[in-house]
Amino acid sequence: GENVEQHPSTLSVQEGDSAVIKCTYSDSASNYFPWYKQELGKGPQLIIDIRSNVGEKKDQRIAVTLNKTAKHFSLHITETQPEDSAVYFCAASSEKKSSGDKLTFGTGTRLAVRP
Amino acid sequence: NAGVTQTPKFRILKIGQSMTLQCTQDMNHNYMYWYRQDPGMGLKLIYYSVGAGITDKGEVPNGYNVSRSTTEDFPLRLELAAPSQTSVYFCASSYSIRNEQFFGPGTRLTVL
Repeated sequence: GENVEQHPSTLSVQEGDSAVIKCTYSDSASNYFPWYKQELGKGPQLIIDIRSNVGEKKDQRIAVTLNKTAKHFSLHITETQPEDSAVYFCAASSEKKSSGDKLTFGTGTRLAVRP
Repeated sequence: NAGVTQTPKFRILKIGQSMTLQCTQDMNHNYMYWYRQDPGMGLKLIYYSVGAGITDKGEVPNGYNVSRSTTEDFPLRLELAAPSQTSVYFCASSYSIRNEQFFGPGTRLTVL
């Protein structure tokens, strides 16, 4: 089945700096890659997603890039703010029947933005 | 819309006890999921359902059971609680696997 690795596990940045979180996946048939943000004591919430027919997607200060050849995708947060402090999860899913209708999540990155 | 609701919010069980974690969604989503999240760890899929009457095992199904008799409800049953099942449990729903999953607020379960 799919295996998603996520790095780094913790990341501390100064307010205003950029943060980058990277994920790799194993299943070349994966074609949907969402990113979720989890604030303390809450359930994860989707912040951005990308499908395999595009290489980059932006939404204000957040962008995601996808390299299908290398099987990795990254989350970029620019001009970080204290409210960006949270745990971020990447995920991947495949259309292969053998993979089932499910997402495989990475292990998470705890981002701390220092004021 | 209330979205995805879960009850209870917190529960302490003794080893060997049973309980049902409730999950309800009001978005008419066909897909529903149960995850567990151990401290400092990621999300592990326990069971999922692609529609009423259809369920399938995820990554860590042992010790759990589910049913899906309606589109709205997807309860998770623990039959013989064990300390290894101490975790935070999240229910989620989505229109399809390649659409946003909406998560509930979670149930924090401790087994002593």
